[in-house]
Amino acid sequence: DVKVTQSSRYLVKRTGEKVFLECVQDMDHENMFWYRQDPGLGLRLIYFSYDVKMKEKGDIPEGYSVSREKKERFSLILESASTNQTSMYLCASSLGTSGVTGELFFGEGSRLTVL
Amino acid sequence: GQNIDQPTEMTATEGAIVQINCTYQTSGFNGLFWYQQHAGEAPTFLSYNVLDGLEEKGRFSSFLSRSKGYSYLLLKELQMKDSASYLCAVLDSNYQLIWGAGTKLIIKP
Repeated sequence: DVKVTQSSRYLVKRTGEKVFLECVQDMDHENMFWYRQDPGLGLRLIYFSYDVKMKEKGDIPEGYSVSREKKERFSLILESASTNQTSMYLCASSLGTSGVTGELFFGEGSRLTVL
Repeated sequence: GQNIDQPTEMTATEGAIVQINCTYQTSGFNGLFWYQQHAGEAPTFLSYNVLDGLEEKGRFSSFLSRSKGYSYLLLKELQMKDSASYLCAVLDSNYQLIWGAGTKLIIKP
């Protein structure tokens, strides 16, 4: 069974703390994505990656960075967490190169609260 | 700008049929996806339409009209487990997904 695993389901952090959200997929997918999901809004793309060591900004990259050192792992980093980054973070992966060409497989999500 | 519109919430009765609409305005079109998301869980893939017409998959069907910028998801013989949010997403000319805000479907006995 295909799987995307996010390291933490729930996190509570303080303003200014550094936050790491990790995502691992076991499907050998080229594409990996980080989204945030907030009530009343569609999924918003933060960053994506089409290959190892490669990253592209999405629609809302400010305040975030990413790392993809290995094909199966895509990390989202909040250098200095702020309260407006309180959200549900979803990682996803898909086959294909240079964009989405098939369905996305999502992780269970990481609900981050910044106090 | 790019825009996906779908109703915020719908209510239907167990055993009935419900149609969830999605209209879109995007820069280019390379297909439309429907995902289901139960509360507190990950979205899961339901369907993908790239050509006009109806795609049927068991109790769920998805329709696309590219000329009208319109799609719908049809759920038949509703079950309580169908209570979830349904997300519409369009693949634009750059193969990037544009997401609607989702429709929360409430099923009543």
